[in-house]
Amino acid sequence: EAGVAQSPRYKIIEKRQSVAFWCNPISGHATLYWYQQILGQGPKLLIQFQNNGVVDDSQLPKDRFSAERLKGVDSTLKIQPAKLEDSAVYLCASSLDHSPSGNTIYFGEGSWLTVV
Amino acid sequence: AQSVTQLDSQVPVFEEAPVELRCNYSSSVSVYLFWYVQYPNQGLQLLLKYLSGSTLVKGINGFEAEFNKSQTSFHLRKPSVHISDTAEYFCAVSDLSGGFKTIFGAGTRLFVKA
Repeated sequence: EAGVAQSPRYKIIEKRQSVAFWCNPISGHATLYWYQQILGQGPKLLIQFQNNGVVDDSQLPKDRFSAERLKGVDSTLKIQPAKLEDSAVYLCASSLDHSPSGNTIYFGEGSWLTVV
Repeated sequence: AQSVTQLDSQVPVFEEAPVELRCNYSSSVSVYLFWYVQYPNQGLQLLLKYLSGSTLVKGINGFEAEFNKSQTSFHLRKPSVHISDTAEYFCAVSDLSGGFKTIFGAGTRLFVKA
């Protein structure tokens, strides 16, 4: 079974530039997540989609971050303009959601962003 | 709202020694509990999970965890660690209220020394 795919793996940009990350979840997974993981910290949920609708985006800095999940499959996360504090790993994850086995989340390898 | 506290940011241990990584949570409703491991430059992968039933949960790579409802804890243990267990370990709680929002702890870095 293919895992969660993310690209690009690494990106270096200057502050005030923009960047976009792409994610393709595990086939059949209705729920997709974007997490931000700053060095030395645990992942922080930015946004959670159920199919193509947003379930939770309470911690998404909406003045600069945006995300979409067209057609309920793959997703893009955009940052514009980037700030130095946005340097982090952006983890995409997916889950079946509401399955009897519980809400196990499967993670991609992450997209490493450095803002200089 | 739920929260997760991992009491140790770093745990150094010698190879073949036992280890316990501590995790406490708070939630006003029933929860699912998870431990994830993150090896260097990789994404997180599930070690084990507690959904219901037996409070002792066994996972991959010889790890196990015990759910203690009265102490709101879910500590991770392994009787004998290997060098290859060196990684970051994250405890997470998923609230059974709407949306199954999952919150992660700050992580514990396990460093196994020869």
